[in-house]
Amino acid sequence: AQKITQTQPGMFVQEKEAVTLDCTYDTSDQSYGLFWYKQPSSGEMIFLIYQGSYDEQNATEGRYSLNFQKARKSANLVISASQLGDSAMYFCAMREGQWLTGGGNKLTFGTGTQLKVEL
Amino acid sequence: EPEVTQTPSHQVTQMGQEVILRCVPISNHLYFYWYRQILGQKVEFLVSFYNNEISEKSEIFDDQFSVERPDGSNFTLKIRSTKLEDSAMYFCASSEGLLAGETDTQYFGPGTRLTVL
Repeated sequence: AQKITQTQPGMFVQEKEAVTLDCTYDTSDQSYGLFWYKQPSSGEMIFLIYQGSYDEQNATEGRYSLNFQKARKSANLVISASQLGDSAMYFCAMREGQWLTGGGNKLTFGTGTQLKVEL
Repeated sequence: EPEVTQTPSHQVTQMGQEVILRCVPISNHLYFYWYRQILGQKVEFLVSFYNNEISEKSEIFDDQFSVERPDGSNFTLKIRSTKLEDSAMYFCASSEGLLAGETDTQYFGPGTRLTVL
């Protein structure tokens, strides 16, 4: 089974509208972290937002928020007020087993969602 | 703001040649990683490194690969005898660990695009 599933290979959104990018995950760990990264066409990987499995509040960072539904094992990224510069590939990633070590656990990535923001 | 840097940005090599990809992690970070992304595919973990040792490696990271921290700032990935299928973007990342409530977020460098001919 895939550990991270992103079912939307491509999404379109109008400028200034909100968009939700889906991510579901599969783990038997009690302690894990969920991340979203943005990859523009230039290729770099930009960290956007983090949600810990024990965090009770949904994470927010500026226009980015994470809709975390633990029972459903979903961690959807919501981008509000989309801008043309938001056009990029977006990856959801998970880190498991973090409390077994002091850190340094690998990330497992999904296949990504290509977002295109239109005028 | 501190960032991970990588050199070179592009590397073209002949099959069978050795390549060394270089990275300078963020200075106070303790954990270092290499990932790769074959064109159009997802990002895959290769190896993690802590306290001058490999802490975890994937099945991709076979005997052709090695990592080293030759000094206090650089972190390198060596591919001994490149194959066509090694063509990919290679990302270095670093994180500070889970001290004092930190999230151990991995920050990525801009990547090195490796082309094997």
